[in-house]
Amino acid sequence: DAGVTQSPTHLIKTRGQQVTLRCSPKSGHDTVSWYQQALGQGPQFIFQYYEEEERQRGNFPDRFSGHQFPNYSSELNVNALLLGDSALYLCASRAGGMNEQYFGPGTRLTVT
Amino acid sequence: DQQVKQNSPSLSVQEGRISILNCDYTNSMFDYFLWYKKYPAEGPTFLISISSIKDKNEDGRFTVFLNKSAKHLSLHIVPSQPGDSAVYFCAAMPGTYKYIFGTGTRLKVLA
Repeated sequence: DAGVTQSPTHLIKTRGQQVTLRCSPKSGHDTVSWYQQALGQGPQFIFQYYEEEERQRGNFPDRFSGHQFPNYSSELNVNALLLGDSALYLCASRAGGMNEQYFGPGTRLTVT
Repeated sequence: DQQVKQNSPSLSVQEGRISILNCDYTNSMFDYFLWYKKYPAEGPTFLISISSIKDKNEDGRFTVFLNKSAKHLSLHIVPSQPGDSAVYFCAAMPGTYKYIFGTGTRLKVLA
């Protein structure tokens, strides 16, 4: 049983560009959350998707958007990249009603 | 404002001894707490959790204690093993949607 998978592993982009990160949840999980982890910090909640709808959003600007597909996989899009967007982006999934989330290995985004 | 705080950035413990990792929170509305372990180049891995209606939860070598009056929780690892060396994050849930993480404590278990 595959856990949470994310692609790509690493990404280098230039300021002002746009990026799309992808996540496949653990089998049987229907809820996907995205987190941003800056160096030396704990992960910060970006948003959560359930039934293809954004259910809650953290304190991130509208440049951050997402999508969930009918197979529960998800994308995180970031527009107009800033240097400060450089971070590890983590996807987490859970089954409905459960508190414990399972995290993927993350995508390391570097903005130059 | 940091609602979940891990004030010790790092901790070194001898193999076989007890490791105690601490976490403080400010919001009394948090109703569920979790501990995650993170190795380099991997995502956080769930360790153990506790509901706010309990004060202790145990799973093998790992025990989490919750002191609601002090808004403090701790993770005890007994006995500590070199494979436990990792960064440990505590997380709190203000409802059912998101985690609020602390900044992490790097544990090093010395052989």
